[in-house]
Amino acid sequence: EAGVVQSPRYKIIEKKQPVAFWCNPISGHNTLYWYLQNLGQGPELLIRYENEEAVDDSQLPKDRFSAERLKGVDSTLKIQPAELGDSAVYLCASSSSGSSPTGELFFGEGSRLTVL
Amino acid sequence: AQSVSQHNHHVILSEAASLELGCNYSYGGTVNLFWYVQYPGQHLQLLLKYFSGDPLVKGIKGFEAEFIKSKFSFNLRKPSVQWSDTAEYFCAVKAASNTGKLIFGQGTTLQVKP
Repeated sequence: EAGVVQSPRYKIIEKKQPVAFWCNPISGHNTLYWYLQNLGQGPELLIRYENEEAVDDSQLPKDRFSAERLKGVDSTLKIQPAELGDSAVYLCASSSSGSSPTGELFFGEGSRLTVL
Repeated sequence: AQSVSQHNHHVILSEAASLELGCNYSYGGTVNLFWYVQYPGQHLQLLLKYFSGDPLVKGIKGFEAEFIKSKFSFNLRKPSVQWSDTAEYFCAVKAASNTGKLIFGQGTTLQVKP
């Protein structure tokens, strides 16, 4: 079974440029998460989807960040315009248990963004 | 708001030494607790989890963790580490009243010397 797939693995851009990250969750997983991981820190939730609905986007900086999950499968996270402080690893995860509190999250390898 | 604190940011051990990584959380309600591991160059993966029952849970690769409710702790242990255990370890909590939101600690980097 294929895991969570993310692309690109690495991205280097200049500040004020736009960038997009793509995630394909494990087949059949209805819940999808985007996490932000700064160097030396644990992942922080940006947004959670249940199918195509964003059910928790309280931590997403909506002035420059946007996300979508059309058709409830793969998802795109966009930053426009990027700032120096956005340099981090963007992790995608999925789970099959929805709002179940015991559900395990499966993570992708992440997309490392460097903003110059 | 719930939070997770990992006491040790960087731990260095020799092979065969015993390991204990501390994790405390702040939340007054029912929680589910997790330890994730990230080996160099790999994705985060689940090491073990607790959601009910026996507070001593066993995970993969000889790891175990004990949930002590009175101390709000979920410490990770391994009696004898190997060089291959070199990785970053994250404690995480999911509150039952806030389903779906997994909160991570800041992580502990474990370096095992051969």
